[in-house]
Amino acid sequence: DAKTTQPPSMDCAEGRAANLPCNHSTISGNEYVYWYRQIHSQGPQYIIHGLKNNETNEMASLIITEDRKSSTLILPHATLRDTAVYYCIVSLASGGSQGNLIFGKGTKLSVKP
Amino acid sequence: KAGVTQTPRYLIKTRGQQVTLSCSPISGHRSVSWYQQTPGQGLQFLFEYFSETQRNKGNFPGRFSGRQFSNSRSEMNVSTLELGDSALYLCASSLVGTGTGYTFGSGTRLTVV
Repeated sequence: DAKTTQPPSMDCAEGRAANLPCNHSTISGNEYVYWYRQIHSQGPQYIIHGLKNNETNEMASLIITEDRKSSTLILPHATLRDTAVYYCIVSLASGGSQGNLIFGKGTKLSVKP
Repeated sequence: KAGVTQTPRYLIKTRGQQVTLSCSPISGHRSVSWYQQTPGQGLQFLFEYFSETQRNKGNFPGRFSGRQFSNSRSEMNVSTLELGDSALYLCASSLVGTGTGYTFGSGTRLTVV
């Protein structure tokens, strides 16, 4: 079973920030938080990952709470093309490999004009 | 650079037949994983290969098998196909040692009739 809990759906207005929450209260010290998204009929796309510090890249920002029990993915200026299912996953990165990714049901984000 | 290439994109097979799906990872990526996606079960991990060795295996029957070649290309085989094997089969590759995310292919849509 997935070790994360996400809301099933969220709406966001185009141009506004989309904040997607994720709870992972049983995360262990050596597990990373990964975010992927899947646009309809395509393969999942890697967005960002982090261990304990906040992270930012060209796609998004990842905010991880100090106790690491929850995190938030932030899309700073959502566009219609950001409409997708967003998956939050906790995973070991042993030996440089992530091992298997356990996908939950994710959050379906709908960006509306 | 070229992404993860999966062939064929679409496939229709009859119950009882077997099928082989192919995956070419991104050049330099030595870790390859396979996932099955169905509307009912979502994304489920099948197996992961690194340097021609299976490192992890999901909870699927023995009819599902895979292998990886010395050039990191991978194949998965499903024998004695059942109607329930109809799914999108996704391959993902990763650059081991960087902790970066997996890059997924567009998948092979298998329909069993």
